[in-house]
Amino acid sequence: QKEVEQNSGPLSVPEGAIASLNCTYSDRGSQSFFWYRQYSGKSPELIMSIYSNGDKEDGRFTAQLNKASQYVSLLIRDSQPSDSATYLCAVNLAGGATNKLIFGTGTLLAVQP
Amino acid sequence: ETGVTQSPTHLIKTRGQQVTLRCSSQSGHNTVSWYQQALGQGPQFIFQYYREEENGRGNFPPRFSGLQFPNYSSELNVNALELDDSALYLCASSFEINSPLHFGNGTRLTVT
Repeated sequence: QKEVEQNSGPLSVPEGAIASLNCTYSDRGSQSFFWYRQYSGKSPELIMSIYSNGDKEDGRFTAQLNKASQYVSLLIRDSQPSDSATYLCAVNLAGGATNKLIFGTGTLLAVQP
Repeated sequence: ETGVTQSPTHLIKTRGQQVTLRCSSQSGHNTVSWYQQALGQGPQFIFQYYREEENGRGNFPPRFSGLQFPNYSSELNVNALELDDSALYLCASSFEINSPLHFGNGTRLTVT
């Protein structure tokens, strides 16, 4: 079992729709959870961080964390073509001594105009 | 506020050679991490430096080594390059050890 799993996609949504991206992780001791956006040929860009169960909203983005189910998701409301990118889920397993992030392989999102 | 900067942006090396990649951390950040991202994969943790000391390492052989300098800039050195070392190498800095990582633009290394 991979430590962080994501559906590779592509996930295709029409412009203006809600895009839902999902991620599961294996280590129950994980403390910190992040979503990064990566455009083709570019480096990852931090979108959201979440540390406790529940929802965290920032503009059109909402991160959801459920530690009991070992599940974290990202919702993108009013999706725009500029949101088309690979979305990487990352988990900090150490939770203290080292900022070692374990990344999933990413989900490719395609927003159709 | 300047972000994380990496140099060079692209590099082509021959198998067996050595390479040094450089990174300047974001202002005020004292922690730097290096990641390797192969095509179609997520970034993989190489190691982290905090206040000039290595304080975490991923599953990479000893030919991958690094340094962090007093001004918090950093280097990644790779000896005896192999074809599988071809990847995007990402430097990321953070304010403290557990703060969110901010990535530089990366160095694309091609080993032929």
